[in-house]
Amino acid sequence: DGGITQSPKYLFRKEGQNVTLSCEQNLNHDAMYWYRQDPGQGLRLIYYSQIVNDFQKGDIAEGYSVSREKKESFPLTVTSAQKNPTAFYLCASSFPSVFNEQFFGPGTRLTVL
Amino acid sequence: DQQVKQNSPSLSVQEGRISILNCDYTNSMFDYFLWYKKYPAEGPTFLISISSIKDKNEDGRFTVFLNKSAKHLSLHIVPSQPGDSAVYFCAAGEETSGSRLTFGEGTQLTVNP
Repeated sequence: DGGITQSPKYLFRKEGQNVTLSCEQNLNHDAMYWYRQDPGQGLRLIYYSQIVNDFQKGDIAEGYSVSREKKESFPLTVTSAQKNPTAFYLCASSFPSVFNEQFFGPGTRLTVL
Repeated sequence: DQQVKQNSPSLSVQEGRISILNCDYTNSMFDYFLWYKKYPAEGPTFLISISSIKDKNEDGRFTVFLNKSAKHLSLHIVPSQPGDSAVYFCAAGEETSGSRLTFGEGTQLTVNP
């Protein structure tokens, strides 16, 4: 049963703490992505990776970090430098071409108190 | 700089009628366009796509039209059903930039029974 998973679904953290969101896929996709969704702003790209051990900044990378040590995994760390971390975070994966659709996980709602 | 724009945050239609969702883009390098559908607290799912070499693509009740000269695309849903009520995102990509996509802000479609 192939798919993309994100855990947990809801996450609460205190201000000033780093937090890592997990994303795992077993679709054998080379490319993986992290998006942030805020009301009225659509999906904004944070980071993406087209291949293992390589990743690029998206449009809003400040205050975030990623790693891509395995094909199946692309964890996102929200650091204390991110000014407005409370949001809905979506992970996606695809084959490495714009002509291939991206498959999304169910998302993680992060709330920083 | 919003390269993909959906100017209507919301749209309400009656069941059985046509829904038309619009999307404009500014980057003339975009050569592939996609529509995604998203229910609350879930990840988006791919709906339909169109390449810049075409002006129309149809899949069942869903048709996407592309007007390259106007840098405009639209999604037509006929007939609309209550289960179509969701947020619809348009997205665009360029083959030379790999697999990254730029998303619009989304349009909330409500289909009333």
